[in-house]
Amino acid sequence: GNSVTQMEGPVTLSEEAFLTINCTYTATGYPSLFWYVQYPGEGLQLLLKATKADDKGSNKGFEATYRKETTSFHLEKGSVQVSDSAVYFCALRDTGANSKLTFGKGITLSVRP
Amino acid sequence: GAGVSQSPSNKVTEKGKDVELRCDPISGHTALYWYRQSLGQGLEFLIYFQGNSAPDKSGLPSDRFSAERTGGSVSTLTIQRTQQEDSAVYLCASELGGQGLLREQFFGPGTRLTVL
Repeated sequence: GNSVTQMEGPVTLSEEAFLTINCTYTATGYPSLFWYVQYPGEGLQLLLKATKADDKGSNKGFEATYRKETTSFHLEKGSVQVSDSAVYFCALRDTGANSKLTFGKGITLSVRP
Repeated sequence: GAGVSQSPSNKVTEKGKDVELRCDPISGHTALYWYRQSLGQGLEFLIYFQGNSAPDKSGLPSDRFSAERTGGSVSTLTIQRTQQEDSAVYLCASELGGQGLLREQFFGPGTRLTVL
């Protein structure tokens, strides 16, 4: 079955630091890959996605590249802000109609001023 | 607002009681999903509806859990004889439907269930 593995957290960084959150997956076929973010007190939101190998998803300064050869979708940001403090979830989805999302366990990011 | 709404936002119940959680999807969204977010388990899929039918119930953890959807809109997740391990945040998501690569699940704010 499908699975997503995220690096263990939590992660604490200083403002303007470089961020990498690792995500690897196991899937049959060619899934779409996602990063979701949950800000404190808010619902889950789509941050970015990629639908095929070598695609790069990007949003709000965050980037992730779909690497089929390493089955990875690591999230990066060059300079984090305090407002990026949130829980980040990596997820995948089969390409069939209305298929469910399979999530990693999430990682909490705290950014210090 | 035009987003997914869920009620109640918080529910505290005693072990053994039944609870009902409600989800109002975005108008026009034919697909609806329930997920559970619990400490140490991350986000787990429970059930998926297409219209009023549920082609995928594979994530329901036991027969104490059931869900229905009426009129292709509102969905209710029912947990009978609640146990402490049912304590979690229950999330609902809706989607326009179809197989396009641009489709996206929109999540509600969740219902936090605490079983004492």
